[in-house]
Amino acid sequence: QVQLQESGPGLVEPSETLSLTCTVAGGSVSSAFYYWSWIRQPPGKGLEWLAYVYYLGSTDYNPSLKSRLTISVDTSKNQFSLNLRSVTAADSAVYYCAGWNLRDDTLDIWGQGTTVTVSS
Amino acid sequence: QSALTQPPSVSGPPGQSVTISCTGTSSDVGSYNRVSWYQQPPGTAPKLMIYDVTNRPSGVPDRFSGSKSGNTASLTISGLQAEDEADYYCGSYTGSSTFVIFGGGTKLTVL
Repeated sequence: QVQLQESGPGLVEPSETLSLTCTVAGGSVSSAFYYWSWIRQPPGKGLEWLAYVYYLGSTDYNPSLKSRLTISVDTSKNQFSLNLRSVTAADSAVYYCAGWNLRDDTLDIWGQGTTVTVSS
Repeated sequence: QSALTQPPSVSGPPGQSVTISCTGTSSDVGSYNRVSWYQQPPGTAPKLMIYDVTNRPSGVPDRFSGSKSGNTASLTISGLQAEDEADYYCGSYTGSSTFVIFGGGTKLTVL
């Protein structure tokens, strides 16, 4: 059973870059059947899709955040990562990594989430 | 692309049924049978409950069912149990620049 685990700093200063990594366990990030995704959830609010990456390197981004986002995959480490530049307090949220199953067009694997606070 | 519209809250006593609606547009819910529902108890990650409008992943009780009519999808939970109390989110593939969009979430209270 594939499991995802997010890692990264819990606190980021305003205007800095938030960097998160998701490790894929019990499966391969090189799976042909998954887009590896990041979703976030601000405190008390709903879910927002941020980006996905395919193991061959293709990517897609939420247009509202595209200018600040970079997603990448490292097949040698079985990981994928997200960078969000120039963060503000509005970027404080729980960040989830997740797998979009291309056979069923749904997010069927989720990490437990990591809380990121933007504050000085 | 705007978020899908869900009622903020629904409630019902144990054993009863509740239905949560999810309204989108002809560009998302109305165009694709790619609507999913996720259950999120407090402090936990979302869990997939329904995909492709009506399909249940292995392990999800058949008390959970999904449907769609036009631009509105629905999740029905029958035989409510205390453990069903959670936030529920719908999500839809859009085929556009915003790959997937979600509803604002519905808090289910089991009375």
